Amino acid sequence: NAGVTQTPKFQVLKTGQSMTLQCAQDMNHNSMYWYRQDPGMGLRLIYYSASEGTTDKGEVPNGYNVSRLNKREFSLRLESAAPSQTSVYFCASSSTDSTDTQYFGPGTRLTVL
Amino acid sequence: AQSVTQLDSQVPVFEEAPVELRCNYSSSVSVYLFWYVQYPNQGLQLLLKYLSGSTLVKGINGFEAEFNKSQTSFHLRKPSVHISDTAEYFCAVSDSVYGGSQGNLIFGKGTKLSVKP
Repeated sequence: NAGVTQTPKFQVLKTGQSMTLQCAQDMNHNSMYWYRQDPGMGLRLIYYSASEGTTDKGEVPNGYNVSRLNKREFSLRLESAAPSQTSVYFCASSSTDSTDTQYFGPGTRLTVL
Repeated sequence: AQSVTQLDSQVPVFEEAPVELRCNYSSSVSVYLFWYVQYPNQGLQLLLKYLSGSTLVKGINGFEAEFNKSQTSFHLRKPSVHISDTAEYFCAVSDSVYGGSQGNLIFGKGTKLSVKP
C-alpha cells in the first residue's frame, strides 16, 4: 500500500518547455487534488477532481491543465513553463466527504529557468 | 469566503517546553478544521481535525487543539515538545459548507516550529 505517489521528484525546465507531473493513489479515493507550495504562501489549490471524469479549477489554475485519467491517476501539465511556476507541487487524495483526511504525496520540486 | 490566519510564521522553543501555535479562521457558518504537519522534504500529514462535538481534539504525537467558536480560533498545543517536533504546521478549514460535500481545504500560510536542545 503505497498511498499517494508522485513522479518525478525533481525537475528543471527552461522557460517555454512543457512537462507533465504524474500522481497515482491506491486508496480507492474519489477526490484528487493538485497544490503548489511557495515559501510563506502555504498551499494553494491549482485543480481538483471530485470524481473520475470531472475536474475543476482551484485558486491558481492559470498556466496549468489536468487530466483525471482514471480513478487512480491525476496528472498536471505545464504547457509552456514560466519562472513563476517554480514551486513544490503536491498531489493529494481523499474520499469525497468534506470531513475526510487528505493524504499527500511526497512532492515534486520544479525549477523553471 | 473562508480564510485562515496563522499568526506566527516562526516559533522557536526549547526542548521540553510547552508550545502553542495560533490559528484563526473566518466563517459565518459551521466549519471543519484541520491541523497538518510537514516534516522537512516531505508531504503533509494529518495531526488532528475538528468536525463536531467536544471542542478539545486530541491528535497524534501528543498534540491537541481547542475549537473556540466565539473567538473563531483553533490553536494547537503540546505540553512538552521534542526535537523531532521540528516541522512546519498548517491550519486548514474545509470550504464545503456552502454546498455539496467536496472537501476542498483552505490552508493558512504555515508556522515553522523550531525546537532547540
